[in-house]
Amino acid sequence: AQRVTQPEKLLSVFKGAPVELKCNYSYSGSPELFWYVQYSRQRLQLLLRHISRESIKGFTADLNKGETSFHLKKPFAQEEDSAMYYCAPRLSYNTDKLIFGTGTRLQVFP
Amino acid sequence: EADIYQTPRYLVIGTGKKITLECSQTMGHDKMYWYQQDPGMELHLIHYSYGVNSTEKGDLSSESTVSRIRTEHFPLTLESARPSHTSQYLCASSGTGGLNEQFFGPGTRLTVL
Repeated sequence: AQRVTQPEKLLSVFKGAPVELKCNYSYSGSPELFWYVQYSRQRLQLLLRHISRESIKGFTADLNKGETSFHLKKPFAQEEDSAMYYCAPRLSYNTDKLIFGTGTRLQVFP
Repeated sequence: EADIYQTPRYLVIGTGKKITLECSQTMGHDKMYWYQQDPGMELHLIHYSYGVNSTEKGDLSSESTVSRIRTEHFPLTLESARPSHTSQYLCASSGTGGLNEQFFGPGTRLTVL
């Protein structure tokens, strides 16, 4: 079965520390991968998608097909990065359906 | 303003009641989705629609039903609510063509006593 694994439920770091939120997926094809974020009392929203190869709010994510991973990274965490982060692959170009991981709560302490 | 609306935001109801969770979008999107999320768990797709009169069941089996009579409206109905239906329900929509992100509504938190 297609699965998405985010092994850490909670990741706590101090401001200025590097951050890596892990995401592994099990799928034999070439998925399209997204990271969604939910800040406190806000809606779930798109953070970035791998195909864009862009940096959003200092975050980047590289698709590693060999390791089937799509880890989210930021070199210097900020307090405003504290939120829930969900990895979500889209498993087919014929559908917009996403499979969401369980999410990782990032806490950035001052 | 283009947005996705969900009502009610919170609902506490007794077992056996029929409920309808409303979702409307003014984004001009064709595709709409319903997700169910228990606390600390992943979002599970329970229904989706690619357009008017098109509805499909998602990856997680659900006793709820949906309808899509108008493009902007995608209500979810539970004929007889049970405590096992207690959860958060998120509605989302996405546009046509290309790599379309899903835009999410604020969610409805349902508690069935």
